[in-house]
Amino acid sequence: AQSVTQPDIHITVSEGASLELRCNYSYGATPYLFWYVQSPGQGLQLLLKYFSGDTLVQGIKGFEAEFKRSQSSFNLRKPSVHWSDAAEYFCAVGKASGGSYIPTFGRGTSLIVHP
Amino acid sequence: ETGVTQTPRHLVMGMTNKKSLKCEQHLGHNAMYWYKQSAKKPLELMFVYNFKEQTENNSVPSRFSPECPNSSHLFLHLHTLQPEDSALYLCASSPLSGGARNEQFFGPGTRLTVL
Repeated sequence: AQSVTQPDIHITVSEGASLELRCNYSYGATPYLFWYVQSPGQGLQLLLKYFSGDTLVQGIKGFEAEFKRSQSSFNLRKPSVHWSDAAEYFCAVGKASGGSYIPTFGRGTSLIVHP
Repeated sequence: ETGVTQTPRHLVMGMTNKKSLKCEQHLGHNAMYWYKQSAKKPLELMFVYNFKEQTENNSVPSRFSPECPNSSHLFLHLHTLQPEDSALYLCASSPLSGGARNEQFFGPGTRLTVL
């Protein structure tokens, strides 16, 4: 069975500092990997996704993620965090289940940004 | 309207009430999903519909009754809920072509409070 682990429940960074959010997955085949962001009171929005090709993926809002098969990781990074980046971040891996295509989500990492 | 919309955005109901949540997507997708998001818990998939047919029911209590009259609309009918059902209910949609590599598009959610 596939699974996604986000080991950090909360991350606190200062505005302007760099950010790395960790995601580890367990999946038997080539994974389809996603990062979503959820601002307070809102639904989830896709930041970026990976399913093949270049292992460094660029997303929206200045985010990027690197797929490392040897480490089963897909960590999200941003070189300089803005106060508006404070949100909940979810890593997910896609799978086929019967006739459906369903992502398995991690528990999320809450990002707190200090001024 | 574009994207995925949900109404109402907030709902307060007593345990004996009957209410319905509505979701509409304007993206031409064929798959629609209901998720429950409780504080401090992972995102819980409740139901999946492909081309109006239910393909996943994740052991959801019968007090939650989904309805998908067409590929653009999804309802969640609620009756005799419990206080522990208070949560953010998220609707999502995705295209089926491309399978597990497709991301989901989420609505803003309905914040449900059961008194």
